[in-house]
Amino acid sequence: DIQMTQSPSSLSASVGDRVTITCQASQDINNCLNWYQQKPGKAPKLLIYDASNLETGVPSRFSGSGSGTDFIFTISSLQPEDTATYYCQQYDNLPLTFGGGTKVEIK
Amino acid sequence: EVQLVESGGGLVQPGRSLRLSCAASGFTFDDYAMHWVRQTPGKGLEWVSSISWNSGRTAYADSVKGRFAISRDNVINSLYLQMSSLRAEDTAFYYCAKDRRAENYCYMDVWGRGTTVTVSS
Repeated sequence: DIQMTQSPSSLSASVGDRVTITCQASQDINNCLNWYQQKPGKAPKLLIYDASNLETGVPSRFSGSGSGTDFIFTISSLQPEDTATYYCQQYDNLPLTFGGGTKVEIK
Repeated sequence: EVQLVESGGGLVQPGRSLRLSCAASGFTFDDYAMHWVRQTPGKGLEWVSSISWNSGRTAYADSVKGRFAISRDNVINSLYLQMSSLRAEDTAFYYCAKDRRAENYCYMDVWGRGTTVTVSS
């Protein structure tokens, strides 16, 4: 199975800050990586697919990059409504696997 | 409006069975693969099972293989998860999710609100 390691597991930042989350795959997954946002009590929401493509309707302050084994998710200017847990997910191989999540809070 | 609504969760004793359902609306159901994903309280997401648009391909996590069966009915736009020989570790919140593709398992672009399964004596 492909292991997805996310870091940090949690972070606290101020409104307007640039926030970066990393996701490392245990083997090359090409660009077969998605990022999801999950707010408390809600279902996950697809934000980024194929490592860097912004899902329709998602604000442009969210972005993704990377390929191979190392990926980055960025919020360019953190907003209060971005409080959530963010997960990466690979689909290069079955089983589909998720990272452990990064909880983002506002300082 | 694109919508997925899960049902069928509840409290069940270890070793018993339960069937989850997911009713789809607002999109052409048989154009897309579908998934079940679960989440334990306070923990992360775990993929459970997937099925292609025409039920030709299915896939399961090792943790449920041989105990769970995914199926779909494209006539009534519904997805199912038949869970047997349930264990305490199957206790979780179960989501159904739609893929953007028909045959391959890639992006879960629509999610239901989920249903709770509790396995306990």
